[in-house]
This record gives sequence, C-alpha cells and structure tokens, in this order.
Amino acid sequence: GENVEQHPSTLSVQEGDSAVIKCTYSDSASNYFPWYKQELGKRPQLIIDIRSNVGEKKDQRIAVTLNKTAKHFSLHITETQPEDSAVYFCAASTYSSASKIIFGSGTRLSIRP
Amino acid sequence: DAMVIQNPRYQVTQFGKPVTLSCSQTLNHNVMYWYQQKSSQAPKLLFHYYDKDFNNEADTPDNFQSRRPNTSFCFLDIRSPGLGDAAMYLCATSRGGQTGANVLTFGAGSRLTVL
Repeated sequence: GENVEQHPSTLSVQEGDSAVIKCTYSDSASNYFPWYKQELGKRPQLIIDIRSNVGEKKDQRIAVTLNKTAKHFSLHITETQPEDSAVYFCAASTYSSASKIIFGSGTRLSIRP
Repeated sequence: DAMVIQNPRYQVTQFGKPVTLSCSQTLNHNVMYWYQQKSSQAPKLLFHYYDKDFNNEADTPDNFQSRRPNTSFCFLDIRSPGLGDAAMYLCATSRGGQTGANVLTFGAGSRLTVL
C-alpha cells in the first residue's frame, strides 16, 4: 500500500521568511496530492492540492511542486505570517473508486515574530 | 449549510465498555472515512466506504467496526475500548470517483476518553 513520508517534523521560521515542507510517496499509481492545515484543536482543512498532470501550482503565498519521477512533492509558503503557525499534513491518493487518502506524519510549523 | 456532523463531540467510557460514534453528512458524497488521530500524530485511516463498498485497512484492529446504513450516515463501533484507543476520531467525506474529486471534508471530531 501507499506510504507517505514527510519532513521535517518541526519547523520554525522568522516571520516574513519562507517555509518548505517535503514529502515522498511510494505508490507510483498515486496521482493526487493534497495538503491539509490543522490548527490547534481544529479539524484539518485543505489548503492546496496538485494532480499528477502538472508540476507546480500556486495560490497566493502557497505553492506546491511535484516531481513524479522522484516521487516527491513539496509545499512552499512565502512571506510567512503568524497565522501560518499550524500542523501541515501532506497526503497521497489515486483517482479510483476506492478513493483512499493516506497522510504523512505532519510538520509543526511555528512562525517567530 | 452542507456539512459533516459528528456526535458526540466528547465521549468518556470505561475500559471494555462499547461505544458508538456517529457521523452524518448533507453533502451527498459517495465516500465516507473514519480516521483516528492521536495527539501530535497524523490522521490514521481506519476504514472507508465508497457507497456501500467497505474498505478496511489491514492494520485496523478487529475491535473497530463500521456501519453505513445509508448515504448520509456512518457509524464507528469500538467493541471493547482499551486505554490505547483514546484519541480523536475524525469522520470525513469526499465525492470520490474517476474525476478525482478526493477533497476531504472533515467533521469536528469525536474525542474519546477511556478510563
């Protein structure tokens, strides 16, 4: 089955700097890669996703890149703000009726003022 | 508003006393999932339904069962809770299907405490 590894487990950056979180996946059939943000005591919320037919996607300060050959994808947050502090999870899935979505282990991002 | 609703939000049970957690959705999504999330860990998929088709993860303990009597409702039954089953249980839904509509909508979760 699919296995998703995520690094680093914790990340602290100065406000205004960029943050990068990396994930690798094992199943070459995976073709959908979402990122979820979970604030303390709240449910995970989708912040951005990418499908395997593109290499990069941007949404304001957030971008995701995908390297299918190497089976890794990354989340990039620029101009970080205090409200970006949260736990971020990457995930991998396939287009199929089973729609199984497996999460990485998470990255706790802290933004220093 | 269309949403995913979990009940109860907080459940306290005694060691070995069965519990049932419920999840309902008004999104008319095909897929419903149960995830277990322990403190500072990632959500761990227990099982999911695509319509009535049940998919169990290989490492989900037999102590955990699920029912989906109709499109809108899904239940998680823990037959004999142990201390290690204390966690947040998250229900999620997605549209599913070949179009790749796999965006998860999560409920607020049910926090289980085992005494």
